[in-house]
Order: sequence, then structure tokens, then C-alpha cells
Amino acid sequence: QSVLTQPPSASEIPGQRVSISCSGGASNIGSNPVNWFQQLPGAAPKLLIYSNNQRPSGVLDRFSGSKSGTSASLAFSGLQSEDEADYYCAAWDDSLNGWVFGGGTKLTVL
Amino acid sequence: QLRLQESGPGLVKPSETLSLTCSVSGGSLNSNSTHTYYWGWIRQPPGKGLEWIGPFSYSGNTYFNPSFKSRVTTSIDASKSQFSLRLRSVTAADTAVYYCARTLLYFGQFTLDSWGQGALVTVSS
Repeated sequence: QSVLTQPPSASEIPGQRVSISCSGGASNIGSNPVNWFQQLPGAAPKLLIYSNNQRPSGVLDRFSGSKSGTSASLAFSGLQSEDEADYYCAAWDDSLNGWVFGGGTKLTVL
Repeated sequence: QLRLQESGPGLVKPSETLSLTCSVSGGSLNSNSTHTYYWGWIRQPPGKGLEWIGPFSYSGNTYFNPSFKSRVTTSIDASKSQFSLRLRSVTAADTAVYYCARTLLYFGQFTLDSWGQGALVTVSS
């Protein structure tokens, strides 16, 4: 049982927009910024979004993040086949003094 | 370019101790005046999600995920640019890919900004 709640799956056709939600609580998302990670099959997670909506160097602007209260969202514009992967949200938890994660969302490009 | 690389046995017997080392290259383990770095471990059981192990050290206290607290020991050797994980009394439930990772604390915000490639550890007799 993950501390943060994500839908287990999402799907959309290429070129369309899709978003993935992440819900938490006061001690994590409510108090700290959200990170999003992309995990391709057999690979380590890669930082996609930090500080709720910031992209590391090299991450395309097709990916965007937002946060409101104790929920966050990752959005894809112009979905492409190479976006097919697992996506995880994470936030620092002030009660745990550590990271908490969502259970992951498997994105399928139809 | 910062690079983290896990190393250690890929097979551990039940009740024994899992030991992994993370070697860091392309950067220092030391923090500076604006950026504070924390070096730790995260695991992912096959087909499942991510789970933070720890540690986080602050104000003289060291925090681990309570699920592991009684079994886990970590250490850091800045002179070798390495940090290590030991997990005692393992069972099959500890079979997972173990990632070493860096947490950056910058202006009060935490970011998991760098990960190793992961090391699969299987617990089996």
C-alpha cells in the first residue's frame, strides 16, 4: 500500500494530451514539492519533474507538472510512443523524514 | 556528469545479510554552502513500486523507513566516494532491485535528482 495514490494505468492515442494524478496528505504533498519520475522497462527511474513543475535540463516541454493542496498532476502534451513507461510521483514526508512514493501509473500509448 | 553505481552480491541466502556499495563518480559526496546532499537507498520488488529505505541524517538524528529500521545499517566513506547498505536477516520479501540515490536539499526543497542503475538482489537458498 503506497502512501501516495496514483491510478494504476492510463492510456491515450498518439498526439493527444493525458494526465496522471497523485494524491497525498498534509505531511507530504501538502508540505513539500512533488517529484515525478519516468521508468522505462528495465531501467532506473529518471527525474522528469521537480519542485512541482520544474523540468531538469534535457526534459522536453511536452511534460508538465502542477500541484494544488495535497494533490499533484503530471501532464503530457502531444503524446508519443516513446512516452510509454511507468510514472511515479514522490514527495518528502515530514512525519517519516523520508521519501514516500505513489504506486506508479503504467502509461500505454494506443 | 554525476554517476552512481551499485555493486554487491546478486544472491543472498535467507537469514543472512545483504550488503551493497554505491560508488559515486563525477562529483563529490560533500555538500556545499547552498546545496545539501543526502545519499541513500531505495528498492523496488519485482513488478512493484518504489520504497524508500533511508537514511536521512539531520540535527544529530538518523532516520530510516520504519519498515527497515531494526535491520538496516548504512555508512559513508567520502574518501572513497562510496556509501553502503547492510540489511540483516533477509527473507524472500527482500528480493528487489536496490537503487542508490542522491537527495538534494536546496532552498528547503527536496529533490531525488540522481539514481544508480540498480542492482537486483535475490534472496534464495
